[in-house]
Amino acid sequence: DAGVTQSPTHLIKTRGQHVTLRCSPISGHKSVSWYQQVLGQGPQFIFQYYEKEERGRGNFPDRFSARQFPNYSSELNVNALLLGDSALYLCASRLGANQPQHFGDGTRLSIL
Amino acid sequence: KNEVEQSPQNLTAQEGEFITINCSYSVGISALHWLQQHPGGGIVSLFMLSSGKKKHGRLIATINIQEKHSSLHITASHPRDSAVYICAVSFQGAQKLVFGQGTRLTINP
Repeated sequence: DAGVTQSPTHLIKTRGQHVTLRCSPISGHKSVSWYQQVLGQGPQFIFQYYEKEERGRGNFPDRFSARQFPNYSSELNVNALLLGDSALYLCASRLGANQPQHFGDGTRLSIL
Repeated sequence: KNEVEQSPQNLTAQEGEFITINCSYSVGISALHWLQQHPGGGIVSLFMLSSGKKKHGRLIATINIQEKHSSLHITASHPRDSAVYICAVSFQGAQKLVFGQGTRLTINP
């Protein structure tokens, strides 16, 4: 079975642009979470979606938004990119509330 | 103050040594996770535990709920164990994981 897949793997943008990152969860997993990991730090929670509804939001500005589709895949959108948005963006899916999260390999976003 | 603190931040050891990485958290949790992150960035879940001890191969994870402390042990360490090990906790009723800053482990041959 395929694990969590994210696309693209790498992305370079300039300040002010917007970006869309994509995530496909493991088959059967209805919960998808997004995390931002800045170099040298642990991941920070951005969003969690379950059954296409937002169930949790971290301390990120409104420039960050996400959605989940009927097939449980998810998109993370970031508008008006800043240099500080350069990071590894990780997607994780899980089967249920008390189950471990399975992570994708991430999208490395660089802002020039 | 971070809700999850790990120590040490960096650890270098020789092949074969017994490794211990520590994690402390500040409030009650529903579960604690140990994760492994290799240089490419992908994260692998090693353990999820809410009490006691779990073992998988050369890896052992323990948690003391009263002390709010967990340890990850690696026996007979090997250079392929070199990675960043991250402790993360989930709280009752919350949907997110809160991560520690990670411990960078280097095992030299």
